[in-house]
Amino acid sequence: QVQLQESGPGLVKPSQTLSLTCTVSGGSISSGSYFWNWIRQPAGKGLEWIGRIYTSGSTDYNPSLKSRVTISVDTSRNLFSLKLSSVTAADTAVYYCARGVTGSWYWDNWFDPWGQGTLVTVSS
Amino acid sequence: QSVLTQPPAASGTPGQRVTISCSGSSSNIGSNTVNWYQQLPGTAPQLLIFTNNQRPSGVPDRFSGSKSGTSASLAISGLQSEDEAAYFCAAWDDSLKGPVFGGGTTLTVL
Repeated sequence: QVQLQESGPGLVKPSQTLSLTCTVSGGSISSGSYFWNWIRQPAGKGLEWIGRIYTSGSTDYNPSLKSRVTISVDTSRNLFSLKLSSVTAADTAVYYCARGVTGSWYWDNWFDPWGQGTLVTVSS
Repeated sequence: QSVLTQPPAASGTPGQRVTISCSGSSSNIGSNTVNWYQQLPGTAPQLLIFTNNQRPSGVPDRFSGSKSGTSASLAISGLQSEDEAAYFCAAWDDSLKGPVFGGGTTLTVL
């Protein structure tokens, strides 16, 4: 079955750009009508959706992060990536990538599966 | 502050039935479907319930979901020790134009 794995630096300095990659295995990122997401979770807190990308390249971002986020996809390498600029300590979190699945309507969608997550700490 | 509201904690004894609530608004739960995720300690969330009340393959029928108006509930019957986890609700939000989550409920099996 499809598996997702996040990778990237675990420590980023304030004001710099956080960069993560999610590698998809066990299936093609281009197959099926899926979309590919980034979600984060600060320690001991809830989940926050960052954004998503379709393999067509179309993206949607959380308005609260939109000015700092870029999500891209590389179908030839079966992966998608996250860039978050001008980071601060508030961006310290476990970052998850997840496949998005749509049901009968565009608003009927869910995340399955998820990657194991990677902790990114913003500190000098 | 999460868009969807969940109680931070819940508890029950083995074999008991527990419910976890999730409250939203007309722009999310009131007009869209609800999903639930289970996060076992130290692991990533995994899908537990989708489209209000559908269970993915492999999820025991002890878990059930329901929705009414702007609220949703997750029920766990025949509580087991391995059900100790955090549970998150989620729904599409028409104002955000994206999914929103609850703050999570940590379930303790006494």
